[in-house]
Amino acid sequence: DVVMTQSPVSLPVTLGQPASISCRSSQSLVNSAGDTHLNWFQQRPGQSPRRLIYEVSNRDSGVPDRFTGSGSGTDFTLKISRVEAEDVGVYYCMQGARWPFTFGGGTKVEIK
Amino acid sequence: EVHLEESGGGLVQPGRSLRLSCTASRFTFRSYWMYWVRQGPGKGLVWVSRISPDGTETIYADSVGGRFTISRDNAKNTLYLQMNSLGVDDAAVYYCVAYNWKSPMYWGQGILVTVSS
Repeated sequence: DVVMTQSPVSLPVTLGQPASISCRSSQSLVNSAGDTHLNWFQQRPGQSPRRLIYEVSNRDSGVPDRFTGSGSGTDFTLKISRVEAEDVGVYYCMQGARWPFTFGGGTKVEIK
Repeated sequence: EVHLEESGGGLVQPGRSLRLSCTASRFTFRSYWMYWVRQGPGKGLVWVSRISPDGTETIYADSVGGRFTISRDNAKNTLYLQMNSLGVDDAAVYYCVAYNWKSPMYWGQGILVTVSS
């Protein structure tokens, strides 16, 4: 299975400050068509996960532009330019390149 | 608004069976790959199974293969997960997910399955 390793596990952030989450995959996530199936999800307390970013850097509809995804190959990053109170939750990276699809262990974003 | 609603969860004894259903509305269910994803108590997310839009292709995580069966009825916009020989490790919130890579992705609200004697 493709192992997705996220860091940090916990991320205390001051409101208005930036935040960055790292994700590394154990194998390349590029398929034969050249697509990189790396997604980012947000799970707020008590809610279902919600996809924020697909194919490394594409924001889903309705996702604020303070969320930015980047990376290539096996190293990826999610950045929040200015953290707001509603951003509290657990963030997961996820690969959809090979079955079984796999999630990272999660990064808990909290306000200092 | 798109809606996915799971049902059929609850408390079950180890070794017994349970069938989950997921009813979809307000999107083109028959064109989507459908999945079940589970989240154990205080744990991360795990992909359990998937089924192709026409129902002819299915695949499972190793942990449930041979015990779980995914199926769908496109006429009823409904996804199913038959779970047999349940063990304590199967206890989780189960989510129904519609995922076509680049297309919008939809999640249900989740249904709790508790396995205990």
